[in-house]
Amino acid sequence: GAGVSQTPSNKVTEKGKYVELRCDPISGHTALYWYRQSLGQGPEFLIYFQGTGAADDSGLPNDRFFAVRPEGSVSTLKIQRTERGDSAVYLCASSFGPGEQFFGPGTRLTVL
Amino acid sequence: QKEVEQNSGPLSVPEGAIASLNCTYSDRGSQSFFWYRQYSGKSPELIMFIYSNGDKEDGRFTAQLNKASQYVSLLIRDSQPSDSATYLCAVETSGTYKYIFGTGTRLKVLA
Repeated sequence: GAGVSQTPSNKVTEKGKYVELRCDPISGHTALYWYRQSLGQGPEFLIYFQGTGAADDSGLPNDRFFAVRPEGSVSTLKIQRTERGDSAVYLCASSFGPGEQFFGPGTRLTVL
Repeated sequence: QKEVEQNSGPLSVPEGAIASLNCTYSDRGSQSFFWYRQYSGKSPELIMFIYSNGDKEDGRFTAQLNKASQYVSLLIRDSQPSDSATYLCAVETSGTYKYIFGTGTRLKVLA
């Protein structure tokens, strides 16, 4: 596809469960970002990949959150032992380099 | 002090008027500034970016940057009801490729 895709679009899980959120960036984009957005707030930076490596993971809230990008394209955000406070829209964005980011449609995560 | 501050609004303007959206930031070393538009239930889409002091125009949109005052603004001329959305300011943290977003300003253009 031409744009950033994210799956699933919606995820409902129970407190304590493990979830994986997937992001497929625009072909050729080397930079990939994960953000979390709560209602009425701007996107909150979580992690940034340049190629396969996490260049900056300072936004990950705690060690329950982890993200990978093994081949420098698709990325997976993994959340262990989910808590109700993890409920938010998780956004992925990609860019060719620093600068203009193109966002995916997001995954709405609801933790019951 | 928040790193990137925006008035949450709503800012209401009549159709055809100029809408002025403002953003202040705390990192004096920031070099890159972005404006995104976000419709309700949708993801942000880039409208403009600006790197140098002064004005940058693109169609009905003008971004203004004043690094000395740590202030960036977005002007929307001839506002249309379809411009009604939340406008997010994003600032690159100096020395990194990490972007900090403001909470956004909700704009309502009244027909």
